[in-house]
Amino acid sequence: DAGVIQSPRHEVTEMGQEVTLRCKPISGHNSLFWYRQTMMRGLELLIYFNNNVPIDDSGMPEDRFSAKMPNASFSTLKIQPSEPRDSAVYFCASSHTTKAYGYTFGSGTRLTVV
Amino acid sequence: QKEVEQNSGPLSVPEGAIASLNCTYSDRGSQSFFWYRQYSGKSPELIMFIYSNGDKEDGRFTAQLNKASQYVSLLIRDSQPSDSATYLCALRGTGGSYIPTFGRGTSLIVHP
Repeated sequence: DAGVIQSPRHEVTEMGQEVTLRCKPISGHNSLFWYRQTMMRGLELLIYFNNNVPIDDSGMPEDRFSAKMPNASFSTLKIQPSEPRDSAVYFCASSHTTKAYGYTFGSGTRLTVV
Repeated sequence: QKEVEQNSGPLSVPEGAIASLNCTYSDRGSQSFFWYRQYSGKSPELIMFIYSNGDKEDGRFTAQLNKASQYVSLLIRDSQPSDSATYLCALRGTGGSYIPTFGRGTSLIVHP
C-alpha cells in the first residue's frame, strides 16, 4: 500500500498564478479530506468528499479555492488566483467511513506564494 | 461546534520518564478518539485510537478515555528523544458525520 500520495511536494508560485494540488487516496477508502496547516491556525479542514461527492466545503476560504474529485482515486485542490496568505502546508487525508481506524495523511504540499 | 482543547506546551520531560498528554472535548456524543504524532516538517501519523472508556495499551503508548469527564489522554512510557514531536488529539463526530476534529496539538520535548 503506497499510502496517500500528494503532488507536488513543494510549490513556489507568484501571486495571482493558478495553483493545482493533487491527491491520490488509499485504494478502497471512500472519504477524502483536504486540510491546510499553518502555525497560527493549526489544521483546518477545507473540504470533505464522501464517495466522490463533496459533503462539506464550509472550510473553503473563498471562491478562489475549488476542489474536485472526478473519481475514487484522484482529487484536486485549485487556488486561482493565489495570494501570499495562501502560503501553508496542504494535506490530503483519506479514510473509510465504516472502518473507523483513523485517517491517513499524505506527505503534504508546502505552498509558498510570493 | 465541536472543540478539542490541548495545552500547546511545550511539555519537556527527561529521557526515560513518562510523558502525559491531555485533551478535552466538548461534544459529549463523540465516539472515536485518535492520537496523531507529527514530526516537524512531516505529516500527522496515527499512533493510537480508542473507542471505549478505560485504557488501551500499545507498546510504550497508553491511551485513556473518560467519556463522563470528556477527556482523553496519551501516556508515553520510557520516553525517548525520538518521541519529541507534536501530538494531535482528534475525535470523530456523531450523527453520521465522519469529519474529524483536531486539536492544535501539544509539543513534546524529550531531553537526554
